Amino acid sequence: GENVEQHPSTLSVQEGDSAVIKCTYSDSASNYFPWYKQELGKRPQLIIDIRSNVGEKKDQRIAVTLNKTAKHFSLHITETQPEDSAVYFCVARMDSSYKLIFGSGTRLLVRP
Amino acid sequence: DTGVSQDPRHKITKRGQNVTFRCDPISEHNRLYWYRQTLGQGPEFLTYFQNEAQLEKSRLLSDRFSAERPKGSFSTLEIQRTEQGDSAMYLCASSFRDQNQPQHFGDGTRLSIL
Repeated sequence: GENVEQHPSTLSVQEGDSAVIKCTYSDSASNYFPWYKQELGKRPQLIIDIRSNVGEKKDQRIAVTLNKTAKHFSLHITETQPEDSAVYFCVARMDSSYKLIFGSGTRLLVRP
Repeated sequence: DTGVSQDPRHKITKRGQNVTFRCDPISEHNRLYWYRQTLGQGPEFLTYFQNEAQLEKSRLLSDRFSAERPKGSFSTLEIQRTEQGDSAMYLCASSFRDQNQPQHFGDGTRLSIL
């Protein structure tokens, strides 16, 4: 079945630095790749998504890239702020199903 | 607040008891999803509905689990004869039918089995 691998599991950066989280997926039929941010004790919140017909998407300090050939996608956060500290999940979904397949998460800590 | 609402937020019960959780989706969302999240892991898909029809079920959903969405609005997830391994956060999400629309999550119900 579909599997999503995510790394690193933890990431600590200095405020103002960039953070990069990388994911790979197994099923080439995946065509939708959202990213969710989950703060402690709160709901996962969608922060950005990308579809298979797009290679890159940017929203202010957040950007996602997708390499369908290699089945890689990644999240880039620039000018990190302490409020960016949270767990980030990469997700894949196939066109034939509505279920989301989550990675295991990256705990990001931004040090002030 | 017009987001996805889940009740209760926390549930503590003894092993062997039955529990039921409720999810109220965002108004007018046709699709409703249930996920389970254990500590340190990402959410795992359990099942989803389009209106009142249950269209897909995960193998994680054993015969002790049942979900319903009788009128195509709110949904319930029941776990019978709870086991220690059922302890987790149960998350509900909803979306419009259009596949381009994202899933929006509720705050979840945290289940603890004593």
